Amino acid sequence: AQSVAQPEDQVNVAEGNPLTVKCTYSVSGNPYLFWYVQYPNRGLQFLLKYITGDNLVKGSYGFEAEFNKSQTSFHLKKPSALVSDSALYFCAVRDVGYYGNNRLAFGKGNQVVVIP
Amino acid sequence: DAGVIQSPRHEVTEMGQEVTLRCKPISGHDYLFWYRQTMMRGLELLIYFNNNVPIDDSGMPEDRFSAKMPNASFSTLKIQPSEPRDSAVYFCASSLDGIPYNEQFFGPGTRLTVL
Repeated sequence: AQSVAQPEDQVNVAEGNPLTVKCTYSVSGNPYLFWYVQYPNRGLQFLLKYITGDNLVKGSYGFEAEFNKSQTSFHLKKPSALVSDSALYFCAVRDVGYYGNNRLAFGKGNQVVVIP
Repeated sequence: DAGVIQSPRHEVTEMGQEVTLRCKPISGHDYLFWYRQTMMRGLELLIYFNNNVPIDDSGMPEDRFSAKMPNASFSTLKIQPSEPRDSAVYFCASSLDGIPYNEQFFGPGTRLTVL
């Protein structure tokens, strides 16, 4: 079974400081990993994904994420947080090794609050 | 493209009533997903379709829930009869080709309140 853990409920960061949102995953095969963001009263929006290759993935709005196979992690990062980054962030995984699997397993989400 | 379209955006109904949620996926996408989001349970996959055919409905909570996709541009999620515990935000999402690493595009959601 595939699963994702997002250990923190809320991440508070001052505007201009680096932002990190943590994610660890569990799959039986190789993972495809995704980050989504949800603003209030909106649907989820795709930020970035890891498929293969370079462990550092760059995405929308200045976000990036680092894939670490040995630690089974895929932490989301932004060098300088903006107040407008305040939102709910979801990590998701799909198990590549499971043929026909088109399910995404989502984490519970992390609320990010950027303090002006 | 207008993205994934869902209607209604808000629905308030009384316990026992039938509720129908609607979704129009992005044109050309052949996978369609229905999710439910609550504070307690987070984001749950209810069912997904490939080329209008239901592939995995293991997340449908019980027989009161049913989903259909009569054509490539329309899907419905029906709850009959509705109960207060069905109150949640229901999202529809679509993706292209089902290639595993293609991201899903989400609609704005339908906020359902069952009194």
